[in-house]
Amino acid sequence: DAGVIQSPRHEVTEMGQEVTLRCKPISGHNSLFWYRQTMMRGLELLIYFNNNVPIDDSGMPEDRFSAKMPNASFSTLKIQPSEPRDSAVYFCASSRRYEQYFGPGTRLTVT
Amino acid sequence: DAKTTQPPSMDCAEGRAANLPCNHSTISGNEYVYWYRQIHSQGPQYIIHGLKNNETNEMASLIITEDRKSSTLILPHATLRDTAVYYCIVNPNNAGNMLTFGGGTRLMVKP
Repeated sequence: DAGVIQSPRHEVTEMGQEVTLRCKPISGHNSLFWYRQTMMRGLELLIYFNNNVPIDDSGMPEDRFSAKMPNASFSTLKIQPSEPRDSAVYFCASSRRYEQYFGPGTRLTVT
Repeated sequence: DAKTTQPPSMDCAEGRAANLPCNHSTISGNEYVYWYRQIHSQGPQYIIHGLKNNETNEMASLIITEDRKSSTLILPHATLRDTAVYYCIVNPNNAGNMLTFGGGTRLMVKP
């Protein structure tokens, strides 16, 4: 099993640009989570999908952030327009029961 | 949700047991105690979880006090690879979703 796959692993972009982060969950898992980690705020849950349906997006910081899960094997987190304060490591996780499996993360730097 | 309190850092000698405490004095009757760890630059990793009985798996043991106001994660024979940040999380169901990560305990295993 390849585990949760995230791409890109590193992204550097300029303020105002659109950024799309991608996630492939583990096959057979029906829940998917997007987290953001910064030194200041720690690890925060942004949004949670169950069976491809968004269940809770209360952690999404603002309208510039959007997430989709068009099918069970793919999800995206989009930031448009990006700002320097969005710089962080973004993790995707999936689960089937009680245990969440995290991907390696995408390190985003917005200059 | 109940909040948790953990010491910010701990040291442990290699080969000895590491005992990581967690206080969750406001935990509700239906809330589970979860433990995750995050090794530097990696995504968090599930360790163990429990409701009120002590639990053990191949990674660790979880001891929950009878009043459920605190718990201890035990790594029986710590190795250098156990150096990580350990997070204690209370969650309102057994599904393991909607995790709220606090500051955790930074465990340093020393040779």
